[in-house]
Amino acid sequence: RKEVEQDPGPFNVPEGATVAFNCTYSNSASQSFFWYRQDCRKEPKLLMSVYSSGNEDGRFTAQLNRASQYISLLIRDSKLSDSATYLCVVNAMDSSYKLIFGSGTRLLVRP
Amino acid sequence: NAGVTQTPKFQVLKTGQSMTLQCAQDMNHEYMSWYRQDPGMGLRLIHYSVGAGITDQGEVPNGYNVSRSTTEDFPLRLLSAAPSQTSVYFCASSYVGGELFFGEGSRLTVL
Repeated sequence: RKEVEQDPGPFNVPEGATVAFNCTYSNSASQSFFWYRQDCRKEPKLLMSVYSSGNEDGRFTAQLNRASQYISLLIRDSKLSDSATYLCVVNAMDSSYKLIFGSGTRLLVRP
Repeated sequence: NAGVTQTPKFQVLKTGQSMTLQCAQDMNHEYMSWYRQDPGMGLRLIHYSVGAGITDQGEVPNGYNVSRSTTEDFPLRLLSAAPSQTSVYFCASSYVGGELFFGEGSRLTVL
């Protein structure tokens, strides 16, 4: 089983839609969780960290479910510019320093 | 604002050749890491370092060597390139447990 798993998508949604992605992780002791965004052929950039109590940044909401070992990302009022690949990141089973990436979920927002 | 600088951006090698991908950061980050990304896949951790003189293996370390003689630099060495090492390589740095800052990537082709 992979340490971090994501649905590859693509999720194809119209502008203005609400879309949600989940990411499951295998290490119950993980403490660090992040969502990164990657545009085609570019380097990943931090979208948001994920805190135990959940957190919101504008149209984006991230939540952590420790019992079921997944994190989620909700995007409201999708924009064309949200089209990208969203990468889930969790610290590894054998080291809190090692950050392991999921393979990403691709989002396409259409006009 | 240099951030994380990777060189070269593009490289073509023949099987069996050696080369070094350079990575430098000017943010005084303790943590530095190398990832590779293959088409349609997420980032896989090759090696990482939590400080000068300290390195450790990631998910896919075989065929790669690293060293960390200074806080700023973290070169990745391919001793004998193989076609399976054709990929995009990203260097990243952070404070331990913090946001990863990535270089722009190095696109390597091994013929």
